Amino acid sequence: GESVGLHLPTLSVQEGDNSIINCAYSNSASDYFIWYKQESGKGPQFIIDIRSNMDKRQGQRVTVLLNKTVKHLSLQIAATQPGDSAVYFCAEIPNDYKLSFGAGTTVTVRA
Amino acid sequence: DAGVTQSPTHLIKTRGQQVTLRCSPKSGHDTVSWYQQALGQGPQFIFQYYEEEERQRGNFPDRFSGHQFPNYSSELNVNALLLGDSALYLCASSFGAGGGNQPQHFGDGTRLSIL
Repeated sequence: GESVGLHLPTLSVQEGDNSIINCAYSNSASDYFIWYKQESGKGPQFIIDIRSNMDKRQGQRVTVLLNKTVKHLSLQIAATQPGDSAVYFCAEIPNDYKLSFGAGTTVTVRA
Repeated sequence: DAGVTQSPTHLIKTRGQQVTLRCSPKSGHDTVSWYQQALGQGPQFIFQYYEEEERQRGNFPDRFSGHQFPNYSSELNVNALLLGDSALYLCASSFGAGGGNQPQHFGDGTRLSIL
């Protein structure tokens, strides 16, 4: 079946470095993508979204890149901080309103 | 501006019982979706409500049912609870009939434990 997946289940990054979290999707009908951050004991928190007519979108310290040719999505976090430690999910929405999540990448920031 | 609120935060039930979980959407949102998140997994879509109707449903049995009220709040009901129903149940809200292109905002969930 079609699914959203992340390349690596864990990522360890030094405080102050940039982080890159990758995600591969397989549903070519997906036209909207969202990155969420989930801290322990909390619900997923919206970080940034991107629509299929774009290939890059920037927010505060975060950038999402979309490569539709290879069905790849990435989240870049600049100057990673301890508060960025969390599980990160990419989610896709085909044209049927259902968010489909991957298993997530756990990011650990080293001091 | 209140975000998505869910109640209760934790719940313990035994097999065979029934449970009702509640969700109030973010102010200005009219669409509510429910997700089940097992430990160490991503959330799995259960169903979505808009205009008090179930609009989409994921791969969950009929034991899972829901309701949306005129004020857009929603309930998730699960009957004949199984041990495998133990999970974090998340509610997400969004705006508009075209819910597929609007960000969904999540509450902090209800942790349901089945003994």
